[in-house]
Amino acid sequence: DAKTTQPNSMESNEEEPVHLPCNHSTISGTDYIHWYRQLPSQGPEYVIHGLTSNVNNRMASLAIAEDRKSSTLILHRATLRDAAVYYCILRGGGADGLTFGKGTHLIIQP
Amino acid sequence: DTGVSQDPRHKITKRGQNVTFRCDPISEHNRLYWYRQTLGQGPEFLTYFQNEAQLEKSRLLSDRFSAERPKGSFSTLEIQRTEQGDSAMYLCASSFIRDTELWANVLTFGAGSRLTVL
Repeated sequence: DAKTTQPNSMESNEEEPVHLPCNHSTISGTDYIHWYRQLPSQGPEYVIHGLTSNVNNRMASLAIAEDRKSSTLILHRATLRDAAVYYCILRGGGADGLTFGKGTHLIIQP
Repeated sequence: DTGVSQDPRHKITKRGQNVTFRCDPISEHNRLYWYRQTLGQGPEFLTYFQNEAQLEKSRLLSDRFSAERPKGSFSTLEIQRTEQGDSAMYLCASSFIRDTELWANVLTFGAGSRLTVL
């Protein structure tokens, strides 16, 4: 799987939007961009995924750059429960299974 | 549907002992995955099954590790002769996969089984 680069940590205030960036400059044309998050003491949880177009669901939005070399996960109104490690993962080709990096540790201040 | 269940949630064992973890996936899911996660790191892929067939094993899965999914439903992960370096969270996930959407399928994870080897 192609690699992704994320900031180690980010901090935001409750009830404000959060933009979590991910760089994936070696992405191939068939790679999907997936985001998972892991709350403390829990297994990872699916957030959203996309291929080329921006995507919205009840949890978040995914904005994908036109050249697909970067993407941004958007939490529209962060709550304390959104404090977690967020992983940006590319999936496509090769073997199945997610390849997790270290992710971004999101801290939400009340 | 209660999601992916893992048992036990916590296991403390002495070095050299064998341990077994069980994973019950979401019932209609045909793929089952095992991951290992150590403190401060992201989960690392170990192996996965399509129904009862084990399709891939990571290099992390040494000879002391064995996983089975005998009837394509629940799975077990056994670690023989445990070592202190085996201390980690062992995560199970499942998904339903269609050939036409291979890379778009979503994994549902369990809460994990935490192993401590003394």
